[in-house]
Amino acid sequence: DAGVIQSPRHEVTEMGQEVTLRCKPISGHDYLFWYRQTMMRGLELLIYFNNNVPIDDSGMPEDRFSAKMPNASFSTLKIQPSEPRDSAVYFCASSLEISGVRGEQFFGPGTRLTVL
Amino acid sequence: GQSLEQPSEVTAVEGAIVQINCTYQTSGFYGLSWYQQHDGGAPTFLSYNALDGLEETGRFSSFLSRSDSYGYLLLQELQMKDSASYFCAVRDRYSGAGSYQLTFGKGTKLSVIP
Repeated sequence: DAGVIQSPRHEVTEMGQEVTLRCKPISGHDYLFWYRQTMMRGLELLIYFNNNVPIDDSGMPEDRFSAKMPNASFSTLKIQPSEPRDSAVYFCASSLEISGVRGEQFFGPGTRLTVL
Repeated sequence: GQSLEQPSEVTAVEGAIVQINCTYQTSGFYGLSWYQQHDGGAPTFLSYNALDGLEETGRFSSFLSRSDSYGYLLLQELQMKDSASYFCAVRDRYSGAGSYQLTFGKGTKLSVIP
């Protein structure tokens, strides 16, 4: 299996621009998680989906952030408009229920976002 | 809410043994996971403890004491490639039944020196 795929790997944009991050979970996994990692705040859960349905979005920082999962093999995280404080590494992770029960999630390589 | 505490940095010598501690506060605890992350890489799953005791996986072991809300990761026969950040993460009922959400600690940066 190719593992969780994220694109782009690096994104540099200017403040005020729209940013879209993409994720393809491992085939057959029914849970998908979006995380943000910074030095100050560590690894934070933003939102997660089960069977394409958003379950908990309480970690989404504000209305500028939105996430969708139109089908089982694709999810997007959109920031509009972007701000310098959004600069971070964004990870997507997926899991099966059987792996989720034992706290195992499979992370993608991440997208390093820099907002100037 | 939840909180996890782990040391920010640990340094150890190649070939030695190191223990990384994690204390947590949460309600409806299910289990404690450990993840490894190399610089520039993604977190990768190492182990999970739901019950008290020691789980061994090769050179790595993980321990849990539910009564003390405490766990640790033990790395033996340290190698240079073990230099990485190590995160503990709790799974609990905070987000409702059937949740597989994890809350991560801030991580412990392990430096292995020759």
